Amino acid sequence: GQQVQQSPASLVLQEGENAELQCNFSTSLNSMQWFYQRPEGSLVSLFYNPSGTKQSGRLTSTTVIKERRSSLHISSSQITDSGTYLCAMERNSNYQLIWGSGTKLIIKP
Amino acid sequence: GPKVLQIPSHQIIDMGQMVTLNCDPVSNHLYFYWYKQILGQQMEFLVNFYNGKVMEKSKLFKDQFSVERPDGSYFTLKIQPTALEDSAVYFCASSLALRENTLYFGAGTRLSVL
Repeated sequence: GQQVQQSPASLVLQEGENAELQCNFSTSLNSMQWFYQRPEGSLVSLFYNPSGTKQSGRLTSTTVIKERRSSLHISSSQITDSGTYLCAMERNSNYQLIWGSGTKLIIKP
Repeated sequence: GPKVLQIPSHQIIDMGQMVTLNCDPVSNHLYFYWYKQILGQQMEFLVNFYNGKVMEKSKLFKDQFSVERPDGSYFTLKIQPTALEDSAVYFCASSLALRENTLYFGAGTRLSVL
């Protein structure tokens, strides 16, 4: 089965609402990264977060290794936040990133 | 922030032809990667590369695929010959270290094999 599962698959919010995106993984991992994929496909690294909580502006990432989950919180969402958010897990056993299927976020005015 | 450049952004070729995808990684990075994303599907690891050698490759990295970075120039992915199922977006990435380090990705090259 899938080693990295993201939820929800899609999320539609009004501008100003908060978004909570989840990533669950089924194997032991070394670290977790969150990426934003723009509508045209390019990738932006948001967080490298092996454990604990990191914040950057309106974005907060929390990884709890024992519970095998990581979350991305977007506060006061803006229309420009629309796109796909991907989490990727770095396993202990090798150097490959294992990716989730993504959460497609749509922010409406 | 650090930028990885990929050239071209889109490539259309006939099945059976050779194609080379070019990547200009972040200047002081030592580790290089190729990932593949078929439209609507998950990103998948292809290969990583360090010090002139392939370190790891996945099952997707077929015999028709090869990578190199001659003399610190572009990091390239060559497919020869191409097949229809090679149509995808190919993302190049680089990092300073192998473990516990942020990967920086390019914007991708969309390869269409006809």
